[in-house]
Amino acid sequence: DTGVSQNPRHKITKRGQNVTFRCDPISEHNRLYWYRQTLGQGPEFLTYFQNEAQLEKSRLLSDRFSAERPKGSFSTLEIQRTEQGDSAMYLCASGISGGTGQGAFYEQYFGPGTRLTVT
Amino acid sequence: DAKTTQPTSMDCAEGRAANLPCNHSTISGNEYVYWYRQIHSQGPQYIIHGLKNNETNEMASLIITEDRKSSTLILPHATLRDTAVYYCIVRLLLSSGSARQLTFGSGTQLTVLP
Repeated sequence: DTGVSQNPRHKITKRGQNVTFRCDPISEHNRLYWYRQTLGQGPEFLTYFQNEAQLEKSRLLSDRFSAERPKGSFSTLEIQRTEQGDSAMYLCASGISGGTGQGAFYEQYFGPGTRLTVT
Repeated sequence: DAKTTQPTSMDCAEGRAANLPCNHSTISGNEYVYWYRQIHSQGPQYIIHGLKNNETNEMASLIITEDRKSSTLILPHATLRDTAVYYCIVRLLLSSGSARQLTFGSGTQLTVLP
């Protein structure tokens, strides 16, 4: 399967514990995005990378959230000192930047998500 | 990015056309209209996008009004597998080649009935 993969698919943790999720994008994609989705809502953007550079992180929900993409390939999202309000689906997407002119188009391909439950 | 308004839910009979409306009255000239859908327990999936002309691909057609303040996604022959939440997104694409993240609303839950 050459799509975006995310691991684990499900994570149950106790409040106060740290969790880390992994995303493996489509191999030739240089952009990688993280979103969070709570029940009944659309995905909410958190951060994104172009290659290994994190270009936008102001939308990360608090300083407990951090993301890395050390070699410009896979990425990890870490939540420290989890809270019950962190329970959600965490989605990763990848895409390609570049291209010129009007109509340049950047489709994002989403993974299946990691469902986090904080008890 | 401009805000969009969609109905919360819609039903459609299997085999019939599903017409999903979206209002984006504050859209600006260089903002595109995108449609994604999300089947239960899966990540969102791209369907189609357009600027001002009507577009068609193997999945759907996109009709954008002349003033670009609204659009309609058409699934010509809906099947049970088309049951999903459909998101209409307005997104700025810059000629420099950069693109912004997707800003999702709550979408329309389409239920295709047998």
